[in-house]
Amino acid sequence: DGGITQSPKYLFRKEGQNVTLSCEQNLNHDAMYWYRQDPGQGLRLIYYSQIVNDFQKGDIAEGYSVSREKKESFPLTVTSAQKNPTAFYLCASSRRAALLNTEAFFGQGTRLTVV
Amino acid sequence: DQQVKQNSPSLSVQEGRISILNCDYTNSMFDYFLWYKKYPAEGPTFLISISSIKDKNEDGRFTVFLNKSAKHLSLHIVPSQPGDSAVYFCAARGGNYGGSQGNLIFGKGTKLSVKP
Repeated sequence: DGGITQSPKYLFRKEGQNVTLSCEQNLNHDAMYWYRQDPGQGLRLIYYSQIVNDFQKGDIAEGYSVSREKKESFPLTVTSAQKNPTAFYLCASSRRAALLNTEAFFGQGTRLTVV
Repeated sequence: DQQVKQNSPSLSVQEGRISILNCDYTNSMFDYFLWYKKYPAEGPTFLISISSIKDKNEDGRFTVFLNKSAKHLSLHIVPSQPGDSAVYFCAARGGNYGGSQGNLIFGKGTKLSVKP
């Protein structure tokens, strides 16, 4: 079955540590995205990548880093510079944004808690 | 400033009645609109979409209406069922493809509760 997989589902991190969230898709999608959801907030875009080896900052990129070495994978690192890392993180993928009628497919999310 | 607004954070409806979720946007360059449904601790799932060249799109119990002059869209669910209880996100995409304009911009969501 094609889909998008995020792991782990729950993650705990000590203050001052970096942590990497995994996102893998087998939908052959070119574009991948990372969003963050906080209570009472919509989905805010952290980083996106339209093609392998290229990625762009979204609205709230500070304190995060990404890589896109493979089409299938778009890991997100939450660094110690991120002031409020506790949140629900969602990864998504889509066909290239240049195509019409492009909806994004989401993973199940990773709940990150800083302790 | 928010480009996609869902002004009602919550909505409660009786089972069998109509649910109407509203969404307003400010950017006239948006050319494609989507609704996503989200259960707690899960990723959003795509529900229905509409292109800016249309004013209505229907899929079973779900209908989306677009009023471009008012920059307003709405999602109608008829009849509402308890399983429809979830957070519904409205999303819009810019009209310039590639780069950030191709990305989806989400509203803050409306929590729908359908009571038996």
